[in-house]
Amino acid sequence: EAAVTQSPRNKVAVTGGKVTLSCNQTNNHNNMYWYRQDTGHGLRLIHYSYGAGSTEKGDIPDGYKASRPSQENFSLILELATPSQTSVYFCASGDGTGGGSDYTFGSGTRLLVI
Amino acid sequence: GQQVQQSPTSLVLQEGENAELQCNFSTSLNSMQWFYQRPGGSLVSVFYNPSGTKQSGRLTSTTVIKERRSSLHISSSQITDSGTYLCAMERGQGGRALIFGTGTTVSVSP
Repeated sequence: EAAVTQSPRNKVAVTGGKVTLSCNQTNNHNNMYWYRQDTGHGLRLIHYSYGAGSTEKGDIPDGYKASRPSQENFSLILELATPSQTSVYFCASGDGTGGGSDYTFGSGTRLLVI
Repeated sequence: GQQVQQSPTSLVLQEGENAELQCNFSTSLNSMQWFYQRPGGSLVSVFYNPSGTKQSGRLTSTTVIKERRSSLHISSSQITDSGTYLCAMERGQGGRALIFGTGTTVSVSP
């Protein structure tokens, strides 16, 4: 079954440390997305990608980098983690055709930065 | 500011009660969807409803484009309906990423 898998499920990081969140999809979707979810804000777009080698800034990209080395994999990188980046992060894939495109979300990664 | 406003923020229901969730958009509405999220879980699409009314079981969605709003009606609520409901619309550009509302948390008790 096609799916989006995120790892790790939970992560505790130290302020100033580097954190990498990984996402793998088996949908063969061109587009992939990273969102964070915080109380009172819903899901907000951090970075997205149109395909291997492509990364684009979303609405809140500051403090985050993204990497799309292949069609299947899309990583979110926090070079210098800060407590304000404590959140739940969701990865998603989409076929990019619009009009109700098929979106699949991962189960989320809970990140705590102390 | 927030482009997608949802109301109410939370809702407590007795099993069997009906509920109406609202979503209002500050920009032109495009490819509107409703998602369901279990506590601590992933999101699954429950409706793609760009305009008009659609029904699936006990759920009914109505989208009025020119009024920039969409609603989700839950009839005869069940305990398994508990969770968070988020509305979202597609961006016109930007990889067709979704712009989400803040969500309505529904809690159904016996």
